[in-house]
Amino acid sequence: EAEVAQSPRYKITEKSQAVAFWCDPISGHATLYWYRQILGQGPELLVQFQDESVVDDSQLPKDRFSAERLKGVDSTLKIQPAELGDSAMYLCASSPGPGLAGGRTGELFFGEGSRLTVL
Amino acid sequence: KQEVTQIPAALSVPEGENLVLNCSFTDSAIYNLQWFRQDPGKGLTSLLLIQSSQREQTSGRLNASLDKSSGRSTLYIAASQPGDSATYLCAADFTGTASKLTFGTGTRLQVTL
Repeated sequence: EAEVAQSPRYKITEKSQAVAFWCDPISGHATLYWYRQILGQGPELLVQFQDESVVDDSQLPKDRFSAERLKGVDSTLKIQPAELGDSAMYLCASSPGPGLAGGRTGELFFGEGSRLTVL
Repeated sequence: KQEVTQIPAALSVPEGENLVLNCSFTDSAIYNLQWFRQDPGKGLTSLLLIQSSQREQTSGRLNASLDKSSGRSTLYIAASQPGDSATYLCAADFTGTASKLTFGTGTRLQVTL
């Protein structure tokens, strides 16, 4: 069964260091999302891509966070410099476009996530 | 502000019980609502997706309903099993723009032997 791949699964870093997360969506999924989930809370959208274009990055702290999806396939989320408050699970999700065989409009498929701990 | 609320935050039931998890949302102009399961330290697994034109969806022992007028959705789990223990999150799409979801904080379910 196709899955959303994420790496690394776990990352421990010191504050002020740079960190990067990678996501490979399900093949053929045009829409890709990065969510952040703080322990005990629901995920919150950071950025949404449609192919290689950013659709929504209104909740992305652009002074330290950046995201790219250069070829419209896999994506990288970077944090520089990391702060203590960035400790969270970073979740990548993808969804099929309307009309894609087997896809239901609005259904998201999530990866296993990348757990970040900032010391 | 569009919000999604899940109560209770935690629930413990004995094996075999039928149970209902609740989700409420503030804006009746909802496009769809999705229920997810999350195991500790893991990502989210989609369980059921209800479009705004639908009233319910079923998958195995799971049944989800949507009542837009009252701003509520429920997830019904029949004959609960210890393997159902997880956190269940509901998420609403208020924008209709390719699935930007607003999540609740989840209900942590424990099914005991």
